Amino acid sequence: GAGVSQSPRYKVTKRGQDVALRCDPISGHVSLYWYRQALGQGPEFLTYFNYEAQQDKSGLPNDRFSAERPEGSISTLTIQRTEQRDSAMYRCASSLRGRQPQHFGDGTRLSIL
Amino acid sequence: KNEVEQSPQNLTAQEGEFITINCSYSVGISALHWLQQHPGGGIVSLFMLSSGKKKHGRLIATINIQEKHSSLHITASHPRDSAVYICAVDYGGATNKLIFGTGTLLAVQP
Repeated sequence: GAGVSQSPRYKVTKRGQDVALRCDPISGHVSLYWYRQALGQGPEFLTYFNYEAQQDKSGLPNDRFSAERPEGSISTLTIQRTEQRDSAMYRCASSLRGRQPQHFGDGTRLSIL
Repeated sequence: KNEVEQSPQNLTAQEGEFITINCSYSVGISALHWLQQHPGGGIVSLFMLSSGKKKHGRLIATINIQEKHSSLHITASHPRDSAVYICAVDYGGATNKLIFGTGTLLAVQP
């Protein structure tokens, strides 16, 4: 497709389970970003990749959160031992390179029961 | 306190009105972005600017670097402009992360 693709669109899981969220950026986009958005709030930065290198992970809330982009294309955000406070919309964005307009995916709505 | 402040938080306008949404930030930036989030949830980038003014259709974005302030204007507003408008700043440095405001919810009534 032409845009940033995220899957799944919705994920409901029980507290304590691990979840993996996938982002497929626009082809050729070097930069990839993960954000988290609570209801009624603006997105909050989680982590940033330049090609396969994770250059900034300062926004990851704790060590239960991790992300990878092993081949510089598709990225996975993993949350281990989920907690209810992890419930949010998780958004991925990509840009051709750093400091360019970002293209956002439709997000994954994560609900932890 | 959010580093990026938007005002107003909510705005209701009649179709055809000229609309202004404001964004203030606290320190020097590399660039400022305006984005639109539709009721369905998708986010679209409208503008990225670091100085002056940009125009696209009925949308105009301006930035005053000295005053650390940006405005988004919508001329001849239409109900289809109803959305959340979000300001985000890039403070530069090694990272390219954006710091987002909380958004302005705009409702344009016919």
